[in-house]
Amino acid sequence: QQQVKQSPQSLIVQKGGISIINCAYENTAFDYFPWYQQFPGKGPALLIAIRPDVSEKKEGRFTISFNKSAKQFSLHIMDSQPGDSATYFCAQLGVNTDKLIFGTGTRLQVFP
Amino acid sequence: DSGVTQTPKHLITATGQRVTLRCSPRSGDLSVYWYQQSLDQGLQFLIHYYNGEERAKGNILERFSAQQFPDLHSELNLSSLELGDSALYFCASRGRTGELFFGEGSRLTVL
Repeated sequence: QQQVKQSPQSLIVQKGGISIINCAYENTAFDYFPWYQQFPGKGPALLIAIRPDVSEKKEGRFTISFNKSAKQFSLHIMDSQPGDSATYFCAQLGVNTDKLIFGTGTRLQVFP
Repeated sequence: DSGVTQTPKHLITATGQRVTLRCSPRSGDLSVYWYQQSLDQGLQFLIHYYNGEERAKGNILERFSAQQFPDLHSELNLSSLELGDSALYFCASRGRTGELFFGEGSRLTVL
């Protein structure tokens, strides 16, 4: 099944640092790129999302950067906190389809 | 609380058996998505229903089937279970903005 390539698989960051997670896609027929956050024992929850007509979207400490020509988008978490420790998934939704395809996930650990 | 309800939360069964997982979407949402999450496979899209009709299919095995009922709840049926079917199964409903709201999942263990 088509997947979004996500990296790194795991990430350890000191409190206050910047966490960066990258995703690359192959098919350009997508028009919605969300990031989901999942805590252990819980279902994924939407964190932030972007459409390809903008290059960046910021919500609080979370920023999505979108590079259409490189077919890449990334999540930046500024001033990372221990409470941000979770698994993060990028995803993409196809144009005129209802398939939301997820990346393989990044396990983030933020140490105090 | 996402508003999406999944039952059962945990299920332990034996190989060769059949189980049914149930999902109630958020009030007002017509779409239901099913995903399988295992340790080495991430979130795998299985199937999507909209207002009772199948709209998209992922790599759902022939042993698996789903349906969405007139009251919009959905059931995922897994039959002839194998050890490799052990996973978390998530249901999600889709809001008007396109966001998926996930339930807390059903953890299936096949022994």
